[in-house]
Amino acid sequence: GAVVSQHPSWVICKSGTSVKIECRSLDFQATTMFWYRQFPKQSLMLMATSNEGSKATYEQGVEKDKFLINHASLTLSTLTVTSAHPEDSSFYICRVKGQTNYGYTFGSGTRLTVV
Amino acid sequence: AQTVTQSQPEMSVQEAETVTLSCTYDTSESDYYLFWYKQPPSRQMILVIRQEAYKQQNATENRFSVNFQKAAKSFSLKISDSQLGDAAMYFCAYRSYGAGGTSYGKLTFGQGTILTVHP
Repeated sequence: GAVVSQHPSWVICKSGTSVKIECRSLDFQATTMFWYRQFPKQSLMLMATSNEGSKATYEQGVEKDKFLINHASLTLSTLTVTSAHPEDSSFYICRVKGQTNYGYTFGSGTRLTVV
Repeated sequence: AQTVTQSQPEMSVQEAETVTLSCTYDTSESDYYLFWYKQPPSRQMILVIRQEAYKQQNATENRFSVNFQKAAKSFSLKISDSQLGDAAMYFCAYRSYGAGGTSYGKLTFGQGTILTVHP
């Protein structure tokens, strides 16, 4: 149980284009999803928290218009990096809350490279 | 706001030996969870061990155990009989126990410790 699928695992895109990353809970309902960003050999930094059917809550300093988060269903949240630039190159990882207080599962992450 | 500090950017250990990773945290809350996560080169986050603050007994999971000192706000991880597969980046993390609010479910991570295991 508590399987989370994150796609794509890696993506290369051209500067100025948009990239969508999906985080999907396969066998449970995800009431809350968290999106993190991680630079090499650094810690995970929380970008935003999304709850199904409502607007995402962004952390201070995270550009809402650049990192669009949609949590339209209880099993899917998407992070869209709009007008990507090389400085957006990073590892993005989702974390999903299930129905128990212990039920948090990480996705496998997405390595984004903007060229 | 809570903070988590890992003061050891890198540690190394010989295979079969024991190593301890340090973590301190700062909080004004009395109920919370503490975690150690392992991130191998694949970058998949793997939960190693969890400790509830209200439990006095230190958590153990096979070769992994913690030394939880609530008053000192310290939460170290001991890895016994180290194996090559233990090589990874380890993160200490804090989560509030509260049932609601904007911080519900959020994890606060330390800076991480890169563990190298020598054969």
